[in-house]
Amino acid sequence: DIQMTQTPSSMPASLGERVTISCRASQGISNYLNWYQQKPDGTIKPLIYYTSNLQSGVPSRFSGSGSGTDYSLTISSLEPEDFAMYYCQQYDSSPPTFGGGTKLELK
Amino acid sequence: QVQLKESGPGLVQPSETLSLTCTVSGFSLTSYGVNWVRQPPGKGLEWMGTIWNDGSTDYNSALKSRLSISRDTSKSQVFLKMNSLQTEDTAIYLCARLYYDGTYYYWYFDFWGPGTMVTVSS
Repeated sequence: DIQMTQTPSSMPASLGERVTISCRASQGISNYLNWYQQKPDGTIKPLIYYTSNLQSGVPSRFSGSGSGTDYSLTISSLEPEDFAMYYCQQYDSSPPTFGGGTKLELK
Repeated sequence: QVQLKESGPGLVQPSETLSLTCTVSGFSLTSYGVNWVRQPPGKGLEWMGTIWNDGSTDYNSALKSRLSISRDTSKSQVFLKMNSLQTEDTAIYLCARLYYDGTYYYWYFDFWGPGTMVTVSS
């Protein structure tokens, strides 16, 4: 199985700050990388698919990039509703696997 | 609009079988695949398996010997059955729809249910 490693596991940040979350795969995944947001109530929302494609309705402050084994999610200016858990997920090969998550916390 | 909702017993005895239902609306199970994903308390997400639009299934090899996913298209329901439950199976169980761009299906989960908590305990 492909292992996905997210860094950092937690990140204190301030409103308006630009933040980047990293995700590294144990082997190349050809850009087959998605990002999800999980709110404290457990609700999971898809954000980005195939590395950089924004899900419909997701604000443009979210963006994704990367290639090979290294990918990232950037939020350009943090809003109050962005403080949540974020997970990356690869689908280059079965089984699809998730990173361990990054908790974005208010500083 | 697209909705998924999980249901099932909140408590299961060790060694017994878990049965969960995912009831969907706003789309057809013959057009979209549905997945089961679980999340142990305080931990990350684990893909369990997929039932594809044609009714075929794929399972996580770590669970394959214990897991079965089926569906009733007339009721828009997807079922999960997993036997020989242990305490480490305590988790929130979620169903999620598979993304379809009109040509291909991708293991991108574009709609999720709220999840149902299952505790394995005597």
